[in-house]
Amino acid sequence: KNEVEQSPQNLTAQEGEFITINCSYSVGISALHWLQQHPGGGIVSLFMLSSGKKKHGRLIATINIQEKHSSLHITASHPRDSAVYICAVVAGGATNKLIFGTGTLLAVQP
Amino acid sequence: NAGVTQTPKFQVLKTGQSMTLQCAQDMNHEYMSWYRQDPGMGLRLIHYSVGAGITDQGEVPNGYNVSRSTTEDFPLRLLSAAPSQTSVYFCASSSLSGRTEAFFGQGTRLTVV
Repeated sequence: KNEVEQSPQNLTAQEGEFITINCSYSVGISALHWLQQHPGGGIVSLFMLSSGKKKHGRLIATINIQEKHSSLHITASHPRDSAVYICAVVAGGATNKLIFGTGTLLAVQP
Repeated sequence: NAGVTQTPKFQVLKTGQSMTLQCAQDMNHEYMSWYRQDPGMGLRLIHYSVGAGITDQGEVPNGYNVSRSTTEDFPLRLLSAAPSQTSVYFCASSSLSGRTEAFFGQGTRLTVV
């Protein structure tokens, strides 16, 4: 079993829909990252969370440390949101190794 | 511009050849790392460094070598390329605490034939 699990693996939505991507992890962490990767492109950091909730424009990320769960929400989705969204946790301990989920491929259709 | 500079973007190697992927950051980050990304799998850690002169192995270190002579640079060397090393490689940097944004290079698509 992977230490970081994302769901769903694939998601197709219509433009304007509210989207939720989930991330569950089984290790102790000091922080959690949500990343975005466009096809053939680089990886961009969207959020870094250690507690609570953060919002940037139409993107909202939440984390529940007790339940070892985080969600990424996209409101009023747009085709340009189509990308792979990756959850990565910063494993606790002396070094801040990132452990990655396998990603969620999101396609937003016009 | 601040960030992580990774080169080259594309590379084709013949089996047995060696090469170095370059990674440089100008944010004075202590933590730098190399990952490979393969279809259906999350990014996997190859090697990492917590500061100049300090490196350690990650999850999939075999066939790769790293050094960290300066804070800014963290090159990844493929000693004798194999087809199994065909992948997309990413360099990343962040603060040592891990509690700040992580920055990634543009990626290197490597094909070994």
